[in-house]
Amino acid sequence: KAGVTQTPRYLIKTRGQQVTLSCSPISGHRSVSWYQQTPGQGLQFLFEYFSETQRNKGNFPGRFSGRQFSNSRSEMNVSTLELGDSALYLCASSLEQGGTKNIQYFGAGTRLSVL
Amino acid sequence: GNSVTQMEGPVTLSEEAFLTINCTYTATGYPSLFWYVQYPGEGLQLLLKATKADDKGSNKGFEATYRKETTSFHLEKGSVQVSDSAVYFCALSGNYGGSQGNLIFGKGTKLSVKP
Repeated sequence: KAGVTQTPRYLIKTRGQQVTLSCSPISGHRSVSWYQQTPGQGLQFLFEYFSETQRNKGNFPGRFSGRQFSNSRSEMNVSTLELGDSALYLCASSLEQGGTKNIQYFGAGTRLSVL
Repeated sequence: GNSVTQMEGPVTLSEEAFLTINCTYTATGYPSLFWYVQYPGEGLQLLLKATKADDKGSNKGFEATYRKETTSFHLEKGSVQVSDSAVYFCALSGNYGGSQGNLIFGKGTKLSVKP
């Protein structure tokens, strides 16, 4: 079974631009979560989607948004990029919606560099 | 709020040495606890988990026991190998009564094992 696939693996953008990252979950998984990883702040939760609905959101500005499609694939968008948005963006999928026992499986991430 | 504190790295050990990486948490209720590992250039892989007090998670020679009385989930391995060199993250489930699919991570501990 294929794992979580994130595209592209690397992106270089300039300040003020916008970017869209894509995540294809493991087949059959309906929940997709996004995380931002930086050296300074570590791993921080962005948002979670389940059945095309955002169920939970972390403490990030409105420039960060996402969506989920009917096939469970998800995209996240960052508008008006800032230098501080440079990070590794990780997507994780799980079988069910949240819960204490659901294991989240991570993709390899998209490394975004903002110049 | 919920939080995870793990020991600062980097940790450098010789092959076959004993490994302990400390992790403590703050949470209300009964979260699930996880250890994830990140190899260079890759996403996170689940190493082990425990879902209730006194549970012991184990995998690939690594072990961790969910200690509610000390709010700890320390990672141990009796004999490390060079291939164990990676960054290790302790995490807890963000919400254990509802539907929030977010993990709260520690800052990570980088382990280097020398031959």
